Amino acid sequence: EDQVTQSPEALRLQEGESSSLNCSYTVSGLRGLFWYRQDPGKGPEFLFTLYSAGEEKEKERLKATLTKKESFLHITAPKPEDSATYLCAVNQAGTALIFGKGTTLSVSS
Amino acid sequence: GAVVSQHPSWVICKSGTSVKIECRSLDFQATTMFWYRQFPKQSLMLMATSNEGSKATYEQGVEKDKFLINHASLTLSTLTVTSAHPEDSSFYICSAAGTGVTDTQYFGPGTRLTVL
Repeated sequence: EDQVTQSPEALRLQEGESSSLNCSYTVSGLRGLFWYRQDPGKGPEFLFTLYSAGEEKEKERLKATLTKKESFLHITAPKPEDSATYLCAVNQAGTALIFGKGTTLSVSS
Repeated sequence: GAVVSQHPSWVICKSGTSVKIECRSLDFQATTMFWYRQFPKQSLMLMATSNEGSKATYEQGVEKDKFLINHASLTLSTLTVTSAHPEDSSFYICSAAGTGVTDTQYFGPGTRLTVL
């Protein structure tokens, strides 16, 4: 069974068209939820760590939020350089990261 | 801060040879390092977790005699693919965490291995 599910798998936006990516999780004893950005042929780049429901973090055009069952990555007025695959990962006590399959975002000008 | 490097960034080798990939945490001490492999259009698959000075813990299905991991210091871990075969061709990525398994992981840029 999937413990981390990201949706949609792919998202195409026009420049300036705001949207949200979803990450739902079913793990118990969540220790942290992580968002990464990955460009083709490169390693994931760390964006945010969220630890408790209600927590929010922002960085430039990105804002991550967390509830007890899911996290959202909101992208406000995206630009073409925001095009990438966004990965969500969670960890439970004593385990390594569990990754979702990612959402591939394409922003056209 | 939190920069992780990998070397080489890409390598091409003949079948049957061994290849070593280095992973370094440049500006922090990494108690725990992780090795992943990633196939095209797929997410990261954890291969093993290593703690400085101790043996690595391998995920189910990963051959520990084929993928040798050494974590000799708090800033360096190496992955050696022994007797590489074409099916070992993949994108290998390491990550480093400061204080343990549940800490934020910072990833290296990855190494593209092609076995001919």
